[in-house]
Amino acid sequence: DGGITQSPKYLFRKEGQNVTLSCEQNLNHDAMYWYRQDPGQGLRLIYYSQIVNDFQKGDIAEGYSVSREKKESFPLTVTSAQKNPTAFYLCASSLGGGPTGELFFGEGSRLTVL
Amino acid sequence: SQKIEQNSEALNIQEGKTATLTCNYTNYSPAYLQWYRQDPGRGPVFLLLIRENEKEKRKERLKVTFDTTLKQSLFHITASQPADSATYLCALDDTNAGKSTFGDGTTLTVKP
Repeated sequence: DGGITQSPKYLFRKEGQNVTLSCEQNLNHDAMYWYRQDPGQGLRLIYYSQIVNDFQKGDIAEGYSVSREKKESFPLTVTSAQKNPTAFYLCASSLGGGPTGELFFGEGSRLTVL
Repeated sequence: SQKIEQNSEALNIQEGKTATLTCNYTNYSPAYLQWYRQDPGRGPVFLLLIRENEKEKRKERLKVTFDTTLKQSLFHITASQPADSATYLCALDDTNAGKSTFGDGTTLTVKP
């Protein structure tokens, strides 16, 4: 089945630690995205990538980093510089090229900082 | 500044009635407007996309309208069922921006 796989589903981190969230897609999509969702709120864009080896900052990129070395993979690192990292993180992909169109989402990763 | 507003945080209706959700936006020129469903603890699931030159789109019990003059989209679920209970998100895709921006969502509860 084609889709997006995020791992881990739940993650606990101590303050001051970096953590990397995995996102893999087998939809052959060019574009990939990371969103953050806080309770009762919508999705806020962290980073996005329209093509391999290229990515752009979204609305809340501070304290996060990404890489796009392969078309199917777009890992997100939550660094110790992120002041309030506890949240639900969602990865998505789309065909790419021009307007976004339909987004396909993973099941999310819930990060809790202890 | 750019803003997307969904009419209310929560909407409660009786089974069988029509649910109407609103998405208003300012300072956007969206090529597409999309609606997604999100269940608790899950990723959003795409429902419908409507283009800037389309007025209305339907899919089974769902209907979306798009008024670029009013800068508003309405999302209707007819003959609602308890299984329709979820949070519904609208998303705007600015022309050639290569990204989508989401509203905060409306949580719909359909009571038997």
